[in-house]
Amino acid sequence: GQNIDQPTEMTATEGAIVQINCTYQTSGFNGLFWYQQHAGEAPTFLSYNVLDGLEEKGRFSSFLSRSKGYSYLLLKELQMKDSASYLCAVLNDYKLSFGAGTTVTVRA
Amino acid sequence: EAQVTQNPRYLITVTGKKLTVTCSQNMNHEYMSWYRQDPGLGLRQIYYSMNVEVTDKGDVPEGYKVSRKEKRNFPLILESPSPNQTSLYFCASGKRQGGYEQYFGPGTRLTVT
Repeated sequence: GQNIDQPTEMTATEGAIVQINCTYQTSGFNGLFWYQQHAGEAPTFLSYNVLDGLEEKGRFSSFLSRSKGYSYLLLKELQMKDSASYLCAVLNDYKLSFGAGTTVTVRA
Repeated sequence: EAQVTQNPRYLITVTGKKLTVTCSQNMNHEYMSWYRQDPGLGLRQIYYSMNVEVTDKGDVPEGYKVSRKEKRNFPLILESPSPNQTSLYFCASGKRQGGYEQYFGPGTRLTVT
């Protein structure tokens, strides 16, 4: 089975940094995704990690440690529009399993 | 415009009345998938397809059927809907490169009474 854990909620101030952790225990691993989902909308792709290390893309970075079953998404210079749910997902062969999502609230 | 479309966007139906939710993509993606999203449970994969005539079960396939007769279309069929299938449904498609990075449709909100 698949077990993917991430915090339910986080709150941060505009301009700050927030780190969303994701731990996983899965029967196989072919990559880890982060998606962003604003309320009432479809998820949109943020990042994909298949090798250990840090991937940086503008204000967003994602880190993966396969040996520890651990990833994090780092959001820098937070903006109000970053208030959303962030979904961690693990690819196993062709199956994609999601965590329950972390709701990030950015306060002025 | 590259997109995934779903129809209908909203549907209220009664228990046992067969229904189909259509999904179409114009990006020539090999991979397509259906998910349901429920509060507190996140997105759960129902079925996926790696290419035409190739489909497989996700984590919650019971009560659903799919078919992939053409590359662009991947309909979701509920032969006998029940109230526990009330949910928000997303279709997605993905390209083989980059681990099948997926593009999601706008969602279909289904209520079964």
